[in-house]
Amino acid sequence: EIVLTQSPGTLSLSPGERATLSCRATQSVSSSYLAWYQQKPGQAPRLLIYGASNRATGIPDRFSGSGSGTNFTLTISRLEPEDFVVYHCQQYGSSPTFGQGTKVEIK
Amino acid sequence: QVQLVQSGAEVKKPGSSVKVSCKASGGTFSNYAINWVRQAPGQGLEWMGGIIPIFGISKYAQKFQGRVTIATDESTSTAYMELSSLRSEDTAVYYCARDRGWYSSSWYHPTWFDPWGQGTRVTVSS
Repeated sequence: EIVLTQSPGTLSLSPGERATLSCRATQSVSSSYLAWYQQKPGQAPRLLIYGASNRATGIPDRFSGSGSGTNFTLTISRLEPEDFVVYHCQQYGSSPTFGQGTKVEIK
Repeated sequence: QVQLVQSGAEVKKPGSSVKVSCKASGGTFSNYAINWVRQAPGQGLEWMGGIIPIFGISKYAQKFQGRVTIATDESTSTAYMELSSLRSEDTAVYYCARDRGWYSSSWYHPTWFDPWGQGTRVTVSS
């Protein structure tokens, strides 16, 4: 099983700042089969990125994904107030697994 | 756009089973896989398994093999997840989610999940 570790656990930033979230895998993720989700309190996750760098339909261009192999990054270029929530990464190169999540909080 | 609507909250005794439904509307049902993901209180997401309705092929996480059954009823565009031998650690919100999936008539591989149902809270308590 591929284990995903997200860091940091909590990221404290101000609106307008840039957020960089990391997702590291214990084994190489085939063909960059990695997705990112956003989850607001009390809601289901929402797909942001698939294939490591492809934005899902309707996702603002301030969200971008990059990486390959075992290291992946989600970048939010300028944080909006609604972006201060939890983000999860998921690999689907083998049986799907998720990271434990990163919470982005207002500093 | 497809919408997934799940059944309501459940409270179950340890050792019993729970069956959660997920009804799809607004899109094609059979050609897309339905997966189940759970989230224990304050925890991350955990994939349980998925099924491609058109071929009835399912795939389960090793952790849940033998304890979970995922099925579909194409006539009502509804997917079901049944989890047996419930214990307190199964207390969680259970989500269904669609995925495009990679599949043939003999295999299925889950991909990314979009959209998701609203979630069903299952509480296991004596």
